[in-house]
Amino acid sequence: GDQVKQSPSALSLQEGTNSALRCNFSIATTTVQWFLQNPRGSLMNLFYLVPGTKENGRLKSTFNSKESYSTLHIRDAQLEDSGTYFCAAGVRGSALGRLHFGAGTQLIVIP
Amino acid sequence: EAAVTQSPRSKVAVTGGKVTLSCHQTNNHDYMYWYRQDTGHGLRLIHYSYVADSTEKGDIPDGYKASRPSQENFSLILELASLSQTAVYFCASSGTEDTQYFGPGTRLLVL
Repeated sequence: GDQVKQSPSALSLQEGTNSALRCNFSIATTTVQWFLQNPRGSLMNLFYLVPGTKENGRLKSTFNSKESYSTLHIRDAQLEDSGTYFCAAGVRGSALGRLHFGAGTQLIVIP
Repeated sequence: EAAVTQSPRSKVAVTGGKVTLSCHQTNNHDYMYWYRQDTGHGLRLIHYSYVADSTEKGDIPDGYKASRPSQENFSLILELASLSQTAVYFCASSGTEDTQYFGPGTRLLVL
């Protein structure tokens, strides 16, 4: 089932604009990880979150465990931000390290 | 940054044949994982391991075996490859921090 739901499924952004991606969880999530899969297929770590907010350059991510969602904000989008963004939930009661992935948001940044 | 390597990077196999995918990490991580990714979808956990000589079933273990002969190495074995196992396979490792680091992936085509 859709234990980790990502929205939107696809997104086009003009270079220099801002946007937000979202993950909603229907399982008891204790940690969240965000990854970017680039067009060549490589998966890169973006954030590891316990409840709270982290920022790295033009990216900022928040995990709200009480309301069971996480967001990834992209500021001043650049062409190299294109790819598929995945969130993954670490679940309470699940074995340490096991992640449940969403289906991804495909982002295209347009010049 | 964690270093996780996979071999082969791509493989064509025949239906009914045996396939072994290998993963090696050099970061002294205890936890290792095998995922598969189907086109346009997120990652699903096949097998994982907490310690050498021990493996655990993930969410979709049917048709796959795993082997962890040492802390650094984790293999995924398809004893009788089937068409439905055509996918991209990712290996990952994590330490006590829980952040997972992924290998570059192996593209498997079963004909």
